[in-house]
Amino acid sequence: DAGVIQSPRHEVTEMGQEVTLRCKPISGHDYLFWYRQTMMRGLELLIYFNNNVPIDDSGMPEDRFSAKMPNASFSTLKIQPSEPRDSAVYFCASSLKLPEQFFGPGTRLTVL
Amino acid sequence: GDSVTQMEGPVTLSEEAFLTINCTYTATGYPSLFWYVQYPGEGLQLLLKATKADDKGSNKGFEATYRKETTSFHLEKGSVQVSDSAVYFCALSDQVRDDKIIFGKGTRLHILP
Repeated sequence: DAGVIQSPRHEVTEMGQEVTLRCKPISGHDYLFWYRQTMMRGLELLIYFNNNVPIDDSGMPEDRFSAKMPNASFSTLKIQPSEPRDSAVYFCASSLKLPEQFFGPGTRLTVL
Repeated sequence: GDSVTQMEGPVTLSEEAFLTINCTYTATGYPSLFWYVQYPGEGLQLLLKATKADDKGSNKGFEATYRKETTSFHLEKGSVQVSDSAVYFCALSDQVRDDKIIFGKGTRLHILP
């Protein structure tokens, strides 16, 4: 079975550019989570969706970050404009039955 | 609020050594407890879990026991292998509000052949 799929796996961009990260959850999972992982702050929950509806976005750092889930098989996390402090690994996870979550391989973002 | 504290790494051991990674938690209710493992270049994977006091979670030779009296969930393995080299995360979720998992900072484990 395919796990959570994320693209791209690596992204290098310049400060001020728009960045879009993509996630395909495991089929049938109706929860989707976006996390950010840094050395300093560890793993932080940014936002999560249930049945494509955003439930809790209290972890989104600021207005430069936005996330959408237009259908059950696709979600995006967008950063516009990007800043060097956004450099991190971004994980998507999905769940069929809470609290167990299945993580994707992550997108390593570097903002120069 | 709820929190998880785990020992800082890196932890370096020789192959076949005994492993303990300490984890303690603070929670207002009765959380479920987890250990996740992150291999290089991959996402986190659930390693084991326990949902009530005195439960023992086990998987791949790893064990952890839910100790309510000491609010601990230490990870142990009797004989580690080079392939166990990874980052290990202790985590909890509230059993009522189980939509969020609170993760510890992670402990990096290096196993030397």
